[in-house]
Amino acid sequence: DAKTTQPNSMESNEEEPVHLPCNHSTISGTDYIHWYRQLPSQGPEYVIHGLTSNVNNRMASLAIAEDRKSSTLILHRATLRDAAVYYCILRDSPDSNYQLIWGAGTKLIIKP
Amino acid sequence: EAQVTQNPRYLITVTGKKLTVTCSQNMNHEYMSWYRQDPGLGLRQIYYSMNVEVTDKGDVPEGYKVSRKEKRNFPLILESPSPNQTSLYFCASSNDPNGYEQYFGPGTRLTVT
Repeated sequence: DAKTTQPNSMESNEEEPVHLPCNHSTISGTDYIHWYRQLPSQGPEYVIHGLTSNVNNRMASLAIAEDRKSSTLILHRATLRDAAVYYCILRDSPDSNYQLIWGAGTKLIIKP
Repeated sequence: EAQVTQNPRYLITVTGKKLTVTCSQNMNHEYMSWYRQDPGLGLRQIYYSMNVEVTDKGDVPEGYKVSRKEKRNFPLILESPSPNQTSLYFCASSNDPNGYEQYFGPGTRLTVT
């Protein structure tokens, strides 16, 4: 099974960039890398996903290593509202088209 | 406003009493899914549906049923709830047939005594 490894928690200061790492050394060639976040007492929220190239959207950037064994979610200017658990997710296996495997994620703490 | 709604948000029930948690989305999404979230176990998929009348099992389908008679609704049915189904449940939908970019509902906290 493709698995991801993330730090349990990270701290950052408000208005500074945040780099959230994720290791996925067993990723298959066709697996997209997905990132979601979950704010306290809310449902998960889609952040970004990518395959090989770096991706940008209004929420964040996703930097994918050339060998695809790791990726980094970048929040360019963290605010207090970005305090959440961030999940880096892959599919269960190349044959599991629709099942994403969620780990424990990284709890991001933003200090004012 | 584009959203996924779930009802009820909180439910306390007793073992064996059938219940239904409703899920509705107003985004005309074809893909819908149910998850449960338990401490230390992350989110686990229960069932998903790629379109009307098309459903399939996720990671933990035992003890649950679903139906997809209309595109917007995807109810989760517990025919005979047990205490091990006490959990936080999330419904999600996506416009992507692979289930990427899922929109999640606010969650339903279920307690079975």
